Formats: sequence, C-alpha cells, structure tokens
Amino acid sequence: KQEVTQIPAALSVPEGENLVLNCSFTDSAIYNLQWFRQDPGKGLTSLLLIQSSQREQTSGRLNASLDKSSGRSTLYIAASQPGDSATYLCAVSGYSTLTFGKGTMLLVSP
Amino acid sequence: GAVVSQHPSRVICKSGTSVKIECRSLDFQATTMFWYRQFPKKSLMLMATSNEGSKATYEQGVEKDKFLINHASLTLSTLTVTSAHPEDSSFYICSALNSGTDEQYFGPGTRLTVT
Repeated sequence: KQEVTQIPAALSVPEGENLVLNCSFTDSAIYNLQWFRQDPGKGLTSLLLIQSSQREQTSGRLNASLDKSSGRSTLYIAASQPGDSATYLCAVSGYSTLTFGKGTMLLVSP
Repeated sequence: GAVVSQHPSRVICKSGTSVKIECRSLDFQATTMFWYRQFPKKSLMLMATSNEGSKATYEQGVEKDKFLINHASLTLSTLTVTSAHPEDSSFYICSALNSGTDEQYFGPGTRLTVT
C-alpha cells in the first residue's frame, strides 16, 4: 500500500525567503507525482505535475523535483510571498489510485 | 479519521449512456464537496464545487449540462455523466470539506471507461 509523507507539517517564514517542502512515498511504482495548493475551504489547485520519467518541472517561482528510485520529491519556492500562504499537498498516482500526503501548512509573514 | 467513500470504484459503460457516481462522507456532515477529474498523465483538475442545497459552481470549461451534480444531503453528493462519450473516460475523485475543522477528505476515486 502506497504511503505518502510530507515534512514539515507546518512552516512559518518571513517574506522573501526561499523554502523547500519535502514529500516521500513508499512505493516507487508510480505514474506521476503532483503538487497541489489548498486554500482554506477551497478546492485543490494543481501546481506542478511530474511524470515518472521526468526529474523536475518548473512554473514561475516553483520548482519540483522527483527522485523516483529513492521515493522523494521536493517543492522549491523561491522568494516567498504572503500570497503563498496555503497548505501544499503532494500526491502520487498509480493506475487507479491517488494517494495524498497530509500536506505542509505554509505561512509567509510580511 | 474521517472517511469519504465513492461508488462505484470502477465502471464501464457504453457511449451514449449516463453514469452516476456517488460520494459520501461517512462520519461528518459536509456542506461542501468537490469533484475532480484526472486524465491519463495529466494533473488532477477541479471540476466543480458542490454546495448542499444549492447549485454547484463549475470551473471554466466544464459543461454543467453534461456533468450534473446534486448535493441533496449533508453526506451525499452525486456526479452524473450524461450521454457519456469515450473522451469522458477518466478518473473521477471527490472530496468532502469538514466545515468544523476546515479539513478536506478525499474519496478513493472512480475510474470511468466509456466504450
């Protein structure tokens, strides 16, 4: 059974800092890995998708890496802003399953 | 922990027929539920937000007449794919929002195949 762990569970940083969120998974037989953003009371917003054959994806200030063999992914956020405050979820996709981590709650203070 | 169920887990239907997918929150009341779909090799995308007792809010590009959402009770939301076509084949996942804790719990998903 796939298990996804996200570290840290919560993170508080001052505006402007670069930060890294970590995600690990137990079964490396995945199709892809996704990072989502969740604002309170809202649906998920997809940030980045990395196929199992890829090593990283970039979108603006976000960069996600994937090391499938070691079961790890990181989400790098450059020059953080207060608007980045949200919960960030990592999810790994199998053929008919989608397994989420519990998320990292990020607070960026002005 | 909180549990959200989906039924069926897998369904195969013929083109032109309609398919109903149920999403239930088993141990808490959810005034808000969300429906997502995931195409192969694509990211999970939010389709609509389902609010108990009112009309669903659909994301841009999602046909509300094709994907009928009903949230008639605090523990059940249904998604009906009407006049299904092969391009509707996808993985559909729902989530339920626990308004008391603001936590969102996901169902296990439904794989729809339209032949």
